[in-house]
Amino acid sequence: DTEVTQTPKHLVMGMTNKKSLKCEQHMGHRAMYWYKQKAKKPPELMFVYSYEKLSINESVPSRFSPECPNSSLLNLHLHALQPEDSALYLCASSLGQGRGDTQYFGPGTRLTVL
Amino acid sequence: GENVEQHPSTLSVQEGDSAVIKCTYSDSASNYFPWYKQELGKGPQLIIDIRSNVGEKKDQRIAVTLNKTAKHFSLHITETQPEDSAVYFCAASIPMEYGNKLVFGAGTILRVKS
Repeated sequence: DTEVTQTPKHLVMGMTNKKSLKCEQHMGHRAMYWYKQKAKKPPELMFVYSYEKLSINESVPSRFSPECPNSSLLNLHLHALQPEDSALYLCASSLGQGRGDTQYFGPGTRLTVL
Repeated sequence: GENVEQHPSTLSVQEGDSAVIKCTYSDSASNYFPWYKQELGKGPQLIIDIRSNVGEKKDQRIAVTLNKTAKHFSLHITETQPEDSAVYFCAASIPMEYGNKLVFGAGTILRVKS
């Protein structure tokens, strides 16, 4: 089973709202990732958690706040977003072995910021 | 620096013909090269991958080749079918101190005409 699940599938929020995106995997993976994908563009890495610790932060604005409560769950807390933050947010997971880990992606959350 | 170039940006083929997508990477530390297929409204799906100690890998109608010296890798799809129509992304994995980072090419829109 190589399934990564994400909720919600779609999210519409105003610039003053606070919302959270959720990601879950039960493959025993110890690395989890958040990517942002704009229309007709490739995914861009935002954050990497390795063994529940934030290991990579690609200089993402503080209005995006990741959280890894345990090895199976990954959240992305959203606050005071801008319309240009509208995108597909993808979660991925991998074994966490470092070199040449295969990353498996979830279906994404389509976020629209009004 | 970290950069992956992918060509062509769009590719139209007749059903049954072959399709080839080429990528070039810049970071010599890259050691793992996955290919993802992304259908409309879905997350990227891994279709094949190759590691830096292997020159070629094949899985049914899909094959990938890697030339480490030239920093080139290519995806070959034979006997294309309409369901192969999608966006294809190549990626290069760069090992970090904790975790690894995927750098994606810009993507290729493949259209298979029946």
